Amino acid sequence: NAGVMQNPRHLVRRRGQEARLRCSPMKGHSHVYWYRQLPEEGLKFMVYLQKENIIDESGMPKERFSAEFPKEGPSILRIQQVVRGDSAAYFCASSPRDRGTDTQYFGPGTRLTVL
Amino acid sequence: QQQVKQSPQSLIVQKGGISIINCAYENTAFDYFPWYQQFPGKGPALLIAIRPDVSEKKEGRFTISFNKSAKQFSLHIMDSQPGDSATYFCAARDRYSSASKIIFGSGTRLSIRP
Repeated sequence: NAGVMQNPRHLVRRRGQEARLRCSPMKGHSHVYWYRQLPEEGLKFMVYLQKENIIDESGMPKERFSAEFPKEGPSILRIQQVVRGDSAAYFCASSPRDRGTDTQYFGPGTRLTVL
Repeated sequence: QQQVKQSPQSLIVQKGGISIINCAYENTAFDYFPWYQQFPGKGPALLIAIRPDVSEKKEGRFTISFNKSAKQFSLHIMDSQPGDSATYFCAARDRYSSASKIIFGSGTRLSIRP
């Protein structure tokens, strides 16, 4: 059973470009979480999605950031018009159910660098 | 109130010694307290977790001590080994959160000296 997969592992963008980060949850998991980690800091919650639904996006910046988890395919975190402050590691986690289990399994992350 | 405060920021321990990392919280709605281990360039991995109805949980060399009245919990790594060198995050989950989102501490960078 493959773990949470994220790609790309490293992404370099110039200011103003768009960044698309993909996350494939573990098999059988229908709940996806996105977290952001700035250098030397802990992870900060961004958004929680179930298939075709955004459940909680309280940690997402109001502008330029969006997320989706379609019926088919991976979850996508999209950052439009990137700025240098968006440089961070973005982690995806998945779990099989909402409150039935506590464990979230993390992927290896995508390290975004904005030049 | 959603914060989890973690200390120390960094820690150096001799091989074979005991590593202790402390965390404190304010939100009494937190009902699940995991610890994550993260190696450079990797995602966090669940190490051990505890619920507030238990005062201690031990798994191998790793022990969580939980003090509900003080709203504090700590991770003890016994017989610390060089392979334990990593960043450790305490965390908590709010039972009333619709997202089951995890609130992370700021992390402790642990180095075990051979």
